[in-house]
Amino acid sequence: EIVMTQSPATLSVSPGERATLSCRASQSVSGNLAWYQQKAGQAPRLLIHDASTRATGIPARFSGSGSGTEFTLTISSLQSEDFVVYYCQQYYSGYTFGQGTKLEIK
Amino acid sequence: EVQLVESGGGVVQPGGSLRLSCEASGFTFSDHYMDWVRQAPGKGLEWVGRIRNKVNSYITEYAASVKGRFTISRDDSKNSLSLQMNSLKTEDTAVYYCVRVSTTVSKRYFDFWGRGTLVTVSS
Repeated sequence: EIVMTQSPATLSVSPGERATLSCRASQSVSGNLAWYQQKAGQAPRLLIHDASTRATGIPARFSGSGSGTEFTLTISSLQSEDFVVYYCQQYYSGYTFGQGTKLEIK
Repeated sequence: EVQLVESGGGVVQPGGSLRLSCEASGFTFSDHYMDWVRQAPGKGLEWVGRIRNKVNSYITEYAASVKGRFTISRDDSKNSLSLQMNSLKTEDTAVYYCVRVSTTVSKRYFDFWGRGTLVTVSS
């Protein structure tokens, strides 16, 4: 099973600043990587697929990069609604998620 | 508007059974693979299983943790998905999400999620 590791577990950033979230795969997943956003009490929402393609309706301040085993989700100019939990997921071999990064207000 | 609405959750004793349903609307259900993903209270996300579409013979796949106990089925005529859960364990306690899978061949990410239904396994 491919293990996905997200860092940090919690990230403190001020509104209006940039946040950089990391995700590492235990083996190469090529570009088969998605990012999801989950607000409290809600279902996850697809943000990014294929490592860097924004899903429909996702604001341009969300961007993804990386390939192989190292991936990054960048959120530029943080808005209040962005301070929630983010998960990465690989779909190269099976379907496994990272443990999540909680983005909190500094 | 795409909608996935789960139902059937509740409290069940260890060893018991429960059947979850998911009603889909706003898209061509029969075109998509459909999955179940679960989230234990305060924990992360765990893929449970998948059913492919008719073109791909309705093939099912399951996580090792539920294989042999859970069964996924679908009825394309009713735009519905089901998850039959047998021999339930306390560790199956979670919110269960019905999830639509993208139609891109070899790029099967989860492009829409239902709101989920809570299953609690407890004596």
